Formats: sequence, C-alpha cells, structure tokens
Amino acid sequence: DADVTQTPRNRITKTGKRIMLECSQTKGHDRMYWYRQDPGLGLRLIYYSFDVKDINKGEISDGYSVSRQAQAKFSLSLESAIPNQTALYFCATSDTRAAPPGAQYFGPGTRLTVL
Amino acid sequence: GQSLEQPSEVTAVEGAIVQINCTYQTSGFYGLSWYQQHDGGAPTFLSYNGLDGLEETGRFSSFLSRSDSYGYLLLQELQMKDSASYFCAPPPGGGNKLTFGTGTQLKVEL
Repeated sequence: DADVTQTPRNRITKTGKRIMLECSQTKGHDRMYWYRQDPGLGLRLIYYSFDVKDINKGEISDGYSVSRQAQAKFSLSLESAIPNQTALYFCATSDTRAAPPGAQYFGPGTRLTVL
Repeated sequence: GQSLEQPSEVTAVEGAIVQINCTYQTSGFYGLSWYQQHDGGAPTFLSYNGLDGLEETGRFSSFLSRSDSYGYLLLQELQMKDSASYFCAPPPGGGNKLTFGTGTQLKVEL
C-alpha cells in the first residue's frame, strides 16, 4: 500500500463548483503540505500544517482552504473553482523527528481540470 | 523578497558528470533539499544539506554554502534514467514559504 494517497486521482469540474481533494498518509508523519504544479512554473506551496492544530499559508493560498482533520489526513478545498486552478496537485508529508529533516514524501498527485 | 534560481535545462552525455546549481533568497532558511521528478511522476527526495559542505549518496552529491546562499547537486556516471527534472527546495517553515521553483530539466544523451 502507498504511504501517501490522494483522492481523486483525476477530476474534471466546472467553474464555480466546490471541490475537495483529500490526502491520507500511513507514515505517521506530523507535517503535511499541499502543492500545485503548472507547466513551466514548477511546484508552488499552497498550505502546510506542522500538526493537527497548525495551519499555515504558503506562497499561493488565495482561492484555497485546508483542513487537518487528523494527523493522517489533510484536505484541500477550492470553494469556487476557476479555470486557472487547473493544475496537478500534490500532497506531501515530512517528519520532524526523522533524519534527514528536509525530506518530504509525495503522493501520486491529483490532476484537476476546471472548465 | 524570496527567490530560487536554477538553470532551466542541462544536457549531458551518458557516463559524464553534471552539476546543477541553485541560488536562493529566503527567510527562515535552515537547509536545502534536492528532489528528482520524472515526467508524469511525483517528486522523490534525493538529499538534504543542513550544514555547509558536501553530502554524498551514491552517484549523487549535494553541496551547500549558506554564506553564499548557494548549493548544487552533482550527478556522476550519468545514466539515461537520470533524465528528469531536478528541484532545489528549502523546507517550509520559520518564515520560509518558498519551496521548489521551476527546476532544472536534465537530458541525458547517448
């Protein structure tokens, strides 16, 4: 079984719809992250959480919200999707107790298309 | 402001050595990670430098100079399977929200 899973893997939706992307991990890591990847723009951090009660904005948080329901679950919501949110979304985890400290482990990604 | 700069593309031949440079400007810096991403795949962790100097992991080595805000990834004995994108990434936290960047696409040729 994969350590970091994302659902759905692919989603096509329409402008204005509310969308939730979910991430679960079995690694026991305390930190979780959401990124988006666009062609030519690399990976950009949307939100991150260092524990269940901690939520931090990343580089591009506008238009997104997150919820850390449990240590193992971190969901990303688009309240009203717009076409420029079409992208590949990755969830990642890391563990402050582990070495090396800078290692993040990524899920397989969710490809989101907003029409 | 915060920024990460890497060359956009590097081409090298199989068996050669290639160096991918990374310069950064970010607050709350406490280390630099490197990741590899093949087309259509997720990024995978390669190495981390928390202190100045060289870290070696098999064919890959990574270097950091915090005083110069500079690091590099060194790939030796290049193989075709090393063709991928490579990202330098300061871990988020401590005021740093800038992670990853556009990355460097490495093409290994015969």
